[in-house]
Amino acid sequence: EVHLVESGGGLVQSGRSLRLSCAASGFIFDDYSMHWVRQVPGRGLEWVSTITWNSGDVGYADSVRGRFTISRDNAKNSLYLQMNGLRAEDSAFYYCAKAMAVAGATLDSWGQGTQVTVSS
Amino acid sequence: DIHMTQSPSSLSASVGDRVTITCRASQGITTYLNWYQQKPGKAPNLLIYAASNLQSGVPSRFSGSGSGTEFTLTISSLQPEDFATYYCQQSFSTPRVSFGGGTKVEI
Repeated sequence: EVHLVESGGGLVQSGRSLRLSCAASGFIFDDYSMHWVRQVPGRGLEWVSTITWNSGDVGYADSVRGRFTISRDNAKNSLYLQMNGLRAEDSAFYYCAKAMAVAGATLDSWGQGTQVTVSS
Repeated sequence: DIHMTQSPSSLSASVGDRVTITCRASQGITTYLNWYQQKPGKAPNLLIYAASNLQSGVPSRFSGSGSGTEFTLTISSLQPEDFATYYCQQSFSTPRVSFGGGTKVEI
């Protein structure tokens, strides 16, 4: 069974940094693209970032490009999101999600999320 | 960027009703369209992928159709556990994907 567990969220001041982690199990981690998606409570889903199976291609939403960096460690079955220069509008639940393919964006498994709150 | 528009944003329905949700893309995405269900306090769950393919374990009362710019999600007979928010997502412009605004299905 696929299991994704996010960690690293918390309360942080505007302008500071946080690093989110996602521990994966139950599947061959380096066979799949991975994504971060965020959601402000009561609002819709917003795609944040993507990384392909071998880190060969990454993508970012315009709202986070230049501030956030996605990475993965296939040896540790882990996905990361380094968030710098945090803003109040970055406050949300952050989900890691597994794609159905090495470079796909159909998200067939999701973690339960970690909450990030940025105080201004 | 491809913009996804869902309608309606919310709807009221009863158990046993047939429910249809529409998703429109700002440009053609062939069948690179997925549907997710999200219940309060939970992560989203994949229902339909590639416009019309039922994800494993999803009840057959859910179906999807469409191609190009217009897509629909249909629940043939609404069950109590189906009251949730539904999102469409385009995966045409991978890695830059986008979600619709969501449709809340309420009693």
